[in-house]
Amino acid sequence: DIQMTQSPSSLSASVGDRVTITCRASQGIRNDLGWFQQKPGKAPKRLIYGASSLQSGVPSRFSASGSGTEFTLTISSLQPEDFATYYCLQHNSYPWTFGQGTKVEIK
Amino acid sequence: EVQLVESGGGLVQPGGSLRLSCTASRLTLGRYWMAWVRQAPGKGLEWVANIKQDGSETHHVDSVKGRFTISRDNAKNSLYLQMNSLRAEDTAVYYCARRPYGDDGDVFDIWGQGTMVTVSS
Repeated sequence: DIQMTQSPSSLSASVGDRVTITCRASQGIRNDLGWFQQKPGKAPKRLIYGASSLQSGVPSRFSASGSGTEFTLTISSLQPEDFATYYCLQHNSYPWTFGQGTKVEIK
Repeated sequence: EVQLVESGGGLVQPGGSLRLSCTASRLTLGRYWMAWVRQAPGKGLEWVANIKQDGSETHHVDSVKGRFTISRDNAKNSLYLQMNSLRAEDTAVYYCARRPYGDDGDVFDIWGQGTMVTVSS
């Protein structure tokens, strides 16, 4: 199974801060990776697909990059509505696996 | 608005069974791979199962193999998850999700609101 190691598991940041979240795959997954945002009590929302393609309607302050085993999600200027938990998901091979999540909290 | 709606969750005793359903509004499920993803209380997301458009190919996470079965009825525009031999560790919110294709990417873009399954005596 491919393990997705996401870091950090949590972070505290202020509005306007630049935030970077990393996912490392235990083996190469090409660009078969998505990023999701989840708020409490809500379903996940796709932000990124194909490792770097921005979902339609998602603000451009979100960006992502990576291929192979190293991937990053960046929020260029954190906004109040961005406080949430973020997950990566590899869909290169079964079983598909999520990272353990990164909770972004208000400092 | 395109929408997925799950149903069928509830409280069940260990060893019991439940069948979850997922129906779609303004969306033809039969055009897409579909999936179930779950989230235990206070925990992260876990992929559970995928099914191909015509139902000819399915994949399940090891922890549910032999107990859970994903299926679909395209004539009813519905997706199902038959859950047997339920265990306490299956307690979770279960989401159905669409796997798009082509320019829309191929990882879950539309999710239902989730249905809660509680396994407890």
